[in-house]
This record gives sequence, C-alpha cells and structure tokens, in this order.
Amino acid sequence: GENVEQHPSTLSVQEGDSAVIKCTYSDSASNYFPWYKQELGKRPQLIIDIRSNVGEKKDQRIAVTLNKTAKHFSLHITETQPEDSAVYFCAATPDSLLTGGGNKLTFGTGTQLKVEL
Amino acid sequence: DAGVTQSPTHLIKTRGQQVTLRCSPKSGHDTVSWYQQALGQGPQFIFQYYEEEERQRGNFPDRFSGHQFPNYSSELNVNALLLGDSALYLCASSFFGSNEQFFGPGTRLTVL
Repeated sequence: GENVEQHPSTLSVQEGDSAVIKCTYSDSASNYFPWYKQELGKRPQLIIDIRSNVGEKKDQRIAVTLNKTAKHFSLHITETQPEDSAVYFCAATPDSLLTGGGNKLTFGTGTQLKVEL
Repeated sequence: DAGVTQSPTHLIKTRGQQVTLRCSPKSGHDTVSWYQQALGQGPQFIFQYYEEEERQRGNFPDRFSGHQFPNYSSELNVNALLLGDSALYLCASSFFGSNEQFFGPGTRLTVL
C-alpha cells in the first residue's frame, strides 16, 4: 500500500518568511496530492491540491510542486502570517477515476508550523 | 450550503462497550469516508461508503463497521472498545468519482 512521509515535523519561521514542507510517497499509482491545514481542535481543511499532469500549482501565497519521477511533492507558503500557524498534512491517492470512483487518502504525519511575530 | 456535520462532538466510553458515530455529508455529496486520527498523527483511512455499500477498507479490524443510508448519511460503529480506540474520528464527504474530500469537525472518542 501507499506510504507517505512528511518533513519536517515542526517548523518555526518569522512572520514574512517563507515555509516549505516536503512529502514523499511510495506508490507510483498515486496521482492526486492534496494538502490540508488543521488548526487546533478543528477539522482538516483542503487548502490546495495538485494532480500528476501538472508540476506546479499556485494560489495566492500558497504553491505546491510535484516531481513524479522522484515521488515527492512540496508545499510552499510565502509571506507567512500568524494565522498560517497550524498543522499541515500532505496526502496521496490514485485518481478516483482509475480506482472505479472511490479513493482513500493516505496522509503524512503532519508538520506543526509556527509563525512567530 | 451545509457542510459536513458529525455527532456527537465528544463521547466517553469504557472498555468493551460499543459506540455509534454519525455523519451527514456536504449537500450534494454521495460518498462518505471515515478516518481515525490519533493524537499527533495524520488521519488513517477506515472505510468508504457509496450507494450504501462499503467500497474500500483500510487496515482496521472487523470491530469497525459502518452503514450508509439512502439520504447518504453514514454511521460508524465500533464494538468491544479498546483503550487504543481513543481518537478523533473524522468523516469526509465527496462526489463519487471526485478526488476532493471535505472533512467534518470530528467526534472525539475517549475510551477509559
């Protein structure tokens, strides 16, 4: 089955700096890679995702890059703000159209991001 | 537009008891997945329901079972509770055939 590794487990940055979180996956069949943000005591929220037919996707201050050959993908947050402080999870899954419609997300272990003033 | 809802918010049980957790998917979604999130860990896939059938299952014992109703809502049942079952149980909904999954707020289960 799929195995997703995520680094670092904790990340502390100064407000305004950039933050990068990296993930690797093992199953070459995986081709959908979402990122979730989970604030303390709240639900995971989908913040950005990428499919294997693209190498990079950007949404305002957040970007995700994917290297299918190396089986790794990364989350980049620029101009970090205190409200970016949360736990971030990467995940991987085969495209649901290839699995007959259903898919299960395999998550990394999370990165605690702290943005300091 | 109602998002994913779960009930109850918190639950305390003792070892050996049984528990039922409930989930209502986001309006228009027809597929429900359940995840277990232990403290400090990422969510672990339990199973997924579509058209009232279990479509995929993760590495969880048969003590974990589920059901989906005609209105797409779902239940997660856990029998013979163990201390290790203490976790946040998350429900996620989606359209069948779509990759995006949207999570509910979760049910915090404590087993004493």
